[in-house]
Amino acid sequence: GAVVSQHPSWVICKSGTSVKIECRSLDFQATTMFWYRQFPKQSLMLMATSNEGSKATYEQGVEKDKFLINHASLTLSTLTVTSAHPEDSSFYICSARGLALRDAYFGPGTRLTVT
Amino acid sequence: TQLLEQSPQFLSIQEGENLTVYCNSSSVFSSLQWYRQEPGEGPVLLVTVVTGGEVKKLKRLTFQFGDARKDSSLHITAAQPGDTGLYLCADSLTGKLIFGQGTTLQVKP
Repeated sequence: GAVVSQHPSWVICKSGTSVKIECRSLDFQATTMFWYRQFPKQSLMLMATSNEGSKATYEQGVEKDKFLINHASLTLSTLTVTSAHPEDSSFYICSARGLALRDAYFGPGTRLTVT
Repeated sequence: TQLLEQSPQFLSIQEGENLTVYCNSSSVFSSLQWYRQEPGEGPVLLVTVVTGGEVKKLKRLTFQFGDARKDSSLHITAAQPGDTGLYLCADSLTGKLIFGQGTTLQVKP
């Protein structure tokens, strides 16, 4: 149980375009979802926390207008990188936690490359 | 702001050796998790410890939580190449999972 999926697993886009990443909880209802980014050989940096039906809470230094997060249902959250630039290239990982779960479970990540 | 420091940052050992990695917090842990991450994948939860002085074992992995709940260690016995990966400690203070900078472990055959 407690499986989280992400789609796509990797994506290449051109500078200036927008790309959407989906995070789904497959066998539980995720009341809270978290979005992280990770650069090579580094740890995970929390970008934002989203609760179903409410606006996301962004960490300091994360541009909310650039990284749009929507958590419209208990099983789906999306991260849209708007007007992507090469410096946005990174590994984006989501995690999800349900009311009945003590721990948060991670998706497999999405590799974004902006050319 | 809570800071989690892991040491060492990098570790390269031969198969069969033992190793210990450490995680120290600037404040008392809410609940401490240890994760392992392989390249190109998401982190996988290894263990959660909550009680000061707690010791948990997972096959060849032994996790210890300090009495004051501000430090933890992960000991691996007889490391194998399959143990290679990034080991991360994390705390779920205020409901958000905050990670240490990680320890990259390479086990050579």
